[in-house]
Amino acid sequence: SQQGEEDPQALSIQEGENATMNCSYKTSINNLQWYRQNSGRGLVHLILIRSNEREKHSGRLRVTLDTSKKSSSLLITASRAADTASYFCATESNTGKLIFGQGTTLQVKP
Amino acid sequence: DAGVIQSPRHEVTEMGQEVTLRCKPISGHDYLFWYRQTMMRGLELLIYFNNNVPIDDSGMPEDRFSAKMPNASFSTLKIQPSEPRDSAVYFCASSYGLAGGETQYFGPGTRLLVL
Repeated sequence: SQQGEEDPQALSIQEGENATMNCSYKTSINNLQWYRQNSGRGLVHLILIRSNEREKHSGRLRVTLDTSKKSSSLLITASRAADTASYFCATESNTGKLIFGQGTTLQVKP
Repeated sequence: DAGVIQSPRHEVTEMGQEVTLRCKPISGHDYLFWYRQTMMRGLELLIYFNNNVPIDDSGMPEDRFSAKMPNASFSTLKIQPSEPRDSAVYFCASSYGLAGGETQYFGPGTRLLVL
């Protein structure tokens, strides 16, 4: 089964609002990555957070990691229509393989 | 760099036919991954190579699937014979290194439809 479970499956917000997506996983991890996928395209890496980090920022992105709860969240602040995409968390197994969640589909309405 | 290149971008074939998907990784990357994405199962890792050698093919669904990497700049994923349930988007990705948070760079994918 997939390591990462994402919540919600779909999210629709207005431009300017914040979007929060959550990811839960089952086993201990080395790090967790977030990827974005625009419709009809491949995945693009957004941000990495290591298991010894609790929070990380990159532009309008903020990622948190709670290893005690085995969960992570991705916050996109001041969303734009161009942020419309699917967002996936990926956990790195002890063999180095990435295991992707099912993804959250975000729609930002202009 | 042009990024990871995949061909064809779209493939429509009939059940029973052989399908070959192609991938050119980013130059200098030593890992290459093949993924399959469907609505039902999400993104699944099929196989990955390190320095052209297959390391883990545990995700390959059946013997009908095979993958090769004859050199550092080319890989193929072959399905023979194809079945309708193989319809999916197949992604190739490459990275420099594996563990330790290495970023994987994905190609645009091949959308396969088996009729």
